[in-house]
Amino acid sequence: NAGVTQTPKFRILKIGQSMTLQCTQDMNHNYMYWYRQDPGMGLKLIYYSVGAGITDKGEVPNGYNVSRSTTEDFPLRLELAAPSQTSVYFCASSYTLYTGTPADTIYFGEGSWLTVV
Amino acid sequence: AQSVTQLDSQVPVFEEAPVELRCNYSSSVSVYLFWYVQYPNQGLQLLLKYLSGSTLVKGINGFEAEFNKSQTSFHLRKPSVHISDTAEYFCAVPLRQAGTALIFGKGTTLSVSS
Repeated sequence: NAGVTQTPKFRILKIGQSMTLQCTQDMNHNYMYWYRQDPGMGLKLIYYSVGAGITDKGEVPNGYNVSRSTTEDFPLRLELAAPSQTSVYFCASSYTLYTGTPADTIYFGEGSWLTVV
Repeated sequence: AQSVTQLDSQVPVFEEAPVELRCNYSSSVSVYLFWYVQYPNQGLQLLLKYLSGSTLVKGINGFEAEFNKSQTSFHLRKPSVHISDTAEYFCAVPLRQAGTALIFGKGTTLSVSS
């Protein structure tokens, strides 16, 4: 059972370049999330999706874009990379039966290390 | 807006000693509280959660937490820690009432030494 799979695991970008972090889950979860983790700052929610075709901003959405065309995939797009986007990115997913109630468990991928130079 | 504060960034303890990791939350709506653990170079995994009912919640690996509404706290405890408990621990609350996305505290690094 693969769970949540993120690619690439490591990437170095130059300032101004763009890239997409891929995320796929095989658990048929309706909710998916992108977080970034910086030392001493915990995890910050970038974007999340409650189902195919529906996305919403989190705490730190600026500089990022997402789309959710299928239940399984939730790519994160970085446009015009900046050094401030150097971080570890985590994709996650969960299943919620009723909107407005917390998910039973959020499952995380192993992370993608991104450096912008 | 919901928020969560973890009061200690680092907690060093000796093996077999008890430990408490502190978490305070701010919420004006229904309270749902979570603790997640992150081992080195891994993603986060759920340790325990409070959704309703008993205020004492038991989780995996011998951890437990107590929901205290009057003090708006959800402290994590373990009576006797092991070297393998060395990890970063995150307290979390829902982003907003209507959503299930979680926001996390800044984390507490638990370092267990022999």
